[in-house]
Amino acid sequence: GENVEQHPSTLSVQEGDSAVIKCTYSDSASNYFPWYKQELGKGPQLIIDIRSNVGEKKDQRIAVTLNKTAKHFSLHITETQPEDSAVYFCAASRYGSARQLTFGSGTQLTVLP
Amino acid sequence: DVKVTQSSRYLVKRTGEKVFLECVQDMDHENMFWYRQDPGLGLRLIYFSYDVKMKEKGDIPEGYSVSREKKERFSLILESASTNQTSMYLCASTPGGSTDTQYFGPGTRLTVL
Repeated sequence: GENVEQHPSTLSVQEGDSAVIKCTYSDSASNYFPWYKQELGKGPQLIIDIRSNVGEKKDQRIAVTLNKTAKHFSLHITETQPEDSAVYFCAASRYGSARQLTFGSGTQLTVLP
Repeated sequence: DVKVTQSSRYLVKRTGEKVFLECVQDMDHENMFWYRQDPGLGLRLIYFSYDVKMKEKGDIPEGYSVSREKKERFSLILESASTNQTSMYLCASTPGGSTDTQYFGPGTRLTVL
């Protein structure tokens, strides 16, 4: 089955700096790569996703890049703000009876004021 | 707004008890999922359902069963709870079709003593 590795497990940045979280996946059949943000006491929420026919996608301060050859994808957050502090999960997905996600282990991002 | 609700935020049960975790979504979504979340392991898929009365095993189904008698409700059942099932349980749903975003509930923190 699919295996997703995520690094780093914790990341602290100064407010205004950039943050980068990296993931690798094992199954070359995976074709959808979402990123979820989980705030304290809440369920994860989708923040951005990318499909395998696209190399990069941007939404305001967040961007995701995908390298299919190397099987890795990354989340980039620019101009970080304290409200960006949360746990971030990457995931990789194939499509069977329904879209099944395999999640990475998570990154605790702390933005220091 | 999509709303996924879970019956309890916190639950304490004894070893050997039968435990029911309920999840309800209000957006007529086709697919529903149960995950468990453990520190350092991310979210792991237990079971999912792509239609009423239809279910498939995820990556860690052992010790769990599910029931989906109505489209909006997906139940996770621990037939005989054990201490290693102490965890955070998250339910999610997706509309199906070309929409892959998973909408999560707030989670149930289950402690088995």
